[in-house]
Parts: sequence; C-alpha cells; structure tokens
Amino acid sequence: GDSVTQMEGPVTLSEEAFLTINCTYTATGYPSLFWYVQYPGEGLQLLLKATKADDKGSNKGFEATYRKETTSFHLEKGSVQVSDSAVYFCALRGQDSSASKIIFGSGTRLSIRP
Amino acid sequence: EPEVTQTPSHQVTQMGQEVILRCVPISNHLYFYWYRQILGQKVEFLVSFYNNEISEKSEIFDDQFSVERPDGSNFTLKIRSTKLEDSAMYFCASKRGEQETQYFGPGTRLLVL
Repeated sequence: GDSVTQMEGPVTLSEEAFLTINCTYTATGYPSLFWYVQYPGEGLQLLLKATKADDKGSNKGFEATYRKETTSFHLEKGSVQVSDSAVYFCALRGQDSSASKIIFGSGTRLSIRP
Repeated sequence: EPEVTQTPSHQVTQMGQEVILRCVPISNHLYFYWYRQILGQKVEFLVSFYNNEISEKSEIFDDQFSVERPDGSNFTLKIRSTKLEDSAMYFCASKRGEQETQYFGPGTRLLVL
C-alpha cells in the first residue's frame, strides 16, 4: 500500500541555519504530496503542497519539489527561525479516490536554538 | 478565516465507557474525516464520510467506532466501549471538494484509564 517515510528527529538547528527534512514515498500513479506542520499545542496545518511531478510547493520560506524519479518531496528552508520549531509531517493523498485519505509520515520534530 | 473546531480539547474516561468526540467542520465542506495519533506515533486515518455515509474506513475503525452527522453542522466520532489503547489525539478534518485541501481541527486528546 501507499506509504511515506521521513527522516527521524529530533532535528536541532541554530537560528538562520539551512534546513532539510527528507521525505520519500511509495504510491501507485501520481499522488498529491503535502507537508503539514504542528506547532506546540495546536492542530495540523497545511504548510505546502504539490500535485504533479516537478511542481514546487512553497510557503513561509519553506519549499519542496515533487520528484517523481526519486519519489521524494524533501522540505527545505534557507534560514530557519525560532518560530519554526514544530513537528513537520510529510504526507500523500492517492490519486485513485475522490474521498482519499491522507497518509502521513511519522513526523520530524524540529527545534531551533536562538 | 473559517476553521474546523473540535470539542472537548481533552477528555479523560474510564475503560469501558462510551465517549463522543465532536467536530464542527468548515460550513461549505462536503467531505469529513477522523484521524488519530497515538502519542509519539504517526497520524493514522480512521474514517472518511461523504454524502451521509462512510466512504472508506481503516482496519482500526472496528465495530466499537461509529460516526454521525446528526444536524448538518456537527460531525461526531463515538467509541462505544473505550479501551486503554484508544488513548490518543483524535483529529477531525474536512474538505470542500474532490481535489481540495483537507483542513484539520486542533484535536481532542483522549485518555482512557
């Protein structure tokens, strides 16, 4: 079945460092890919998405490119801030059903030091 | 900006008791979902609901679970007889159309003692 694998955390970086969180997926066809973020004490928020190969999703300085050839959707940010501390989830939605569930990775906890 | 809301934010219950978790999806949304996240684990799909019926459910969603949209605004998840392993954060989500984004609520943290 469809699945998502993302790098394990926690990841601790200093402010203004470069961030990469790796994500790879297994799915048939052309799934839609997502990054969700969960700030402390809050629910899941959509950070960015890409719905077809080579699409780049971007939001709040974060970017991820849908790479069909490597089945990857790595999250990057050039200069992280303390306020980016959160848990980040890579996720996919299969293409085969209009009511499709979202399948999540295990989450990566990111902590940014001032 | 409209958002999905969930009540209660926290619930503690005794094993074997029934619980009802409530969600108010975004008002013009047509597709509804429940997910859960056991502490330290990944977010898992439970059930999807469209056109007043379940469209898909996971193997977790056994006979102890049920969902209902009783009044056109609320979307509820009932666990008939809770078990210790039902302790988790439960997220409700909704979306407007087939290819639209799912929006998640803040979650209900359920603790079964």
